[in-house]
Amino acid sequence: AQSVTQLDSQVPVFEEAPVELRCNYSSSVSVYLFWYVQYPNQGLQLLLKYLSGSTLVKGINGFEAEFNKSQTSFHLRKPSVHISDTAEYFCAVSENRDDKIIFGKGTRLHILP
Amino acid sequence: EAQVTQNPRYLITVTGKKLTVTCSQNMNHEYMSWYRQDPGLGLRQIYYSMNVEVTDKGDVPEGYKVSRKEKRNFPLILESPSPNQTSLYFCASSLSGTGHGYEQYFGPGTRLTVT
Repeated sequence: AQSVTQLDSQVPVFEEAPVELRCNYSSSVSVYLFWYVQYPNQGLQLLLKYLSGSTLVKGINGFEAEFNKSQTSFHLRKPSVHISDTAEYFCAVSENRDDKIIFGKGTRLHILP
Repeated sequence: EAQVTQNPRYLITVTGKKLTVTCSQNMNHEYMSWYRQDPGLGLRQIYYSMNVEVTDKGDVPEGYKVSRKEKRNFPLILESPSPNQTSLYFCASSLSGTGHGYEQYFGPGTRLTVT
């Protein structure tokens, strides 16, 4: 069965600095990987997803993620964060042809002025 | 406007009193799902449905029921709520299953308190 680990529960970063949010997964079959963002008091929305092909995936709001099959990772990055990026970020994995999805426990991104 | 709606948004109830949280989507999506979100535990899938009359258990189905009689609606039923079901609940839908790589669209959430 698949599982997802988000290695940091909280990440503080200064405004305009780069950030990386880490996600590792385990699965014995091919997977689809997702990053969702939850702004305060809102539902989740998709940032980006990896299905196949290029391992570097670009999403909304300047975020990108890199799929690394050998390290079973899907880390999320942004070169320069803004105060509006304050949110909780969730990594999720779904195995090919299995419609059950597993979410990580989330990483809270705190932007420091 | 394409959206997933949930009602009620906030609910305080007592142990054992049956309740239903409604979920509706206007995007003609096949797949719908319910999650609960708890601090430090992230989102956990309760039930999902690939189509009308087809439902499957997620990771935490105990104490919950669902039904999918119409494509657009996917109500979550708590027949005998207990305090450990106090949580923030999200409904989501997608064109097809996550096992085919489709993104989910989430509702605004329902905050349930069981005393």
